[in-house]
Amino acid sequence: SQQGEEDPQALSIQEGENATMNCSYKTSINNLQWYRQNSGRGLVHLILIRSNEREKHSGRLRVTLDTSKKSSSLLITASRAADTASYFCATDEQAGKLIFGQGTTLQVKP
Amino acid sequence: NAGVMQNPRHLVRRRGQEARLRCSPMKGHSHVYWYRQLPEEGLKFMVYLQKENIIDESGMPKERFSAEFPKEGPSILRIQQVVRGDSAAYFCASSQDLNSDTIYFGEGSWLTVV
Repeated sequence: SQQGEEDPQALSIQEGENATMNCSYKTSINNLQWYRQNSGRGLVHLILIRSNEREKHSGRLRVTLDTSKKSSSLLITASRAADTASYFCATDEQAGKLIFGQGTTLQVKP
Repeated sequence: NAGVMQNPRHLVRRRGQEARLRCSPMKGHSHVYWYRQLPEEGLKFMVYLQKENIIDESGMPKERFSAEFPKEGPSILRIQQVVRGDSAAYFCASSQDLNSDTIYFGEGSWLTVV
């Protein structure tokens, strides 16, 4: 079964609002990563959080990790239309072998 | 510094033909990974290669699919006798070494089988 499961599957918000996406996983991990994918494009690495970290920030992104619940969340603050994309979490079964979730499709309306 | 380069970006093949997808890793990277993304799904690991070696092919379909990463030149993902179900985006990624936390993805090759 899928390692990473994102929730919600789709999210539609207005520009300026915050967007929160959640990811759950099943096995123990070394780290968890979030990626963005614009339609028809490749994946862009957003942020990596290690298993011994609880929270990490990068610009308007905030990622949390709760290893006891095997879950992570990605918060995008003050969203922009350009943030419209699919967002995936990925856990590392082993180095380079990432297990991706189904993704959350985010639409930010101007 | 060029990123991971994949070509072709788009490929159309008729059922039964062969598809060859090429991937040049980032400069200095010797580890290559191939992933497949079916429509409306996340990426699924297919194979992990180092120069001239297949390290992990646990995600490769048992038949018709093969991958190589020769000493010289790009990595090749080869799909023989394509079927409609092979239609997907195929992504290549690379990393510098086994201990790299982050792997870098190319823009993908979109295969359509008609």
